[in-house]
Amino acid sequence: DQQVKQNSPSLSVQEGRISILNCDYTNSMFDYFLWYKKYPAEGPTFLISISSIKDKNEDGRFTVFLNKSAKHLSLHIVPSQPGDSAVYFCAASLGNAGNMLTFGGGTRLMVKP
Amino acid sequence: DTAVSQTPKYLVTQMGNDKSIKCEQNLGHDTMYWYKQDSKKFLKIMFSYNNKELIINETVPNRFSPKSPDKAHLNLHINSLELGDSAVYFCASSQDSRLDTQYFGPGTRLTVL
Repeated sequence: DQQVKQNSPSLSVQEGRISILNCDYTNSMFDYFLWYKKYPAEGPTFLISISSIKDKNEDGRFTVFLNKSAKHLSLHIVPSQPGDSAVYFCAASLGNAGNMLTFGGGTRLMVKP
Repeated sequence: DTAVSQTPKYLVTQMGNDKSIKCEQNLGHDTMYWYKQDSKKFLKIMFSYNNKELIINETVPNRFSPKSPDKAHLNLHINSLELGDSAVYFCASSQDSRLDTQYFGPGTRLTVL
């Protein structure tokens, strides 16, 4: 039973436009959410996170939005760049002992020049 | 000056063998983790460990065991390897904080023949 889902396996966007990656979760006890970016043959790299007490967090071109009532979060990348092409994973934590993350299945973003 | 490193990067072995994957972090973090990325690309937590406690994902077979010689290392031992153990294994670390960001190693691709 997947508690964190990324329903779009891939997304293609033109350079300079906005990329919007979506993530849904089912466990209302999750209280911390993260986005990771992954290139082939490398480990996931942390991008941005958000606590459940917030609804928005921004870091440069990256903004994460959290809608707790809908159990939905999204990552906005503006403007998108070809170097952003990678697989993006959302992850959630219960914030309990162990800090164990539950990951979504990933969305492959392709930014076309 | 890699933050989280793993060896080997590739490991090919026969069914029934016992193998180990090493992980080292130079970030001074207190907590380390092992994740498994299966053939469907899902990242799943296996263990969370600091010097105080080991938390095991209940779905992990007891053929898998983490061993930590010191705070900077968390090695993964696998006994009696099975075909289904073929996957990419990622080590990660974080400060010993409930909601702290995890930093991942580059991964070890294990192939069981």
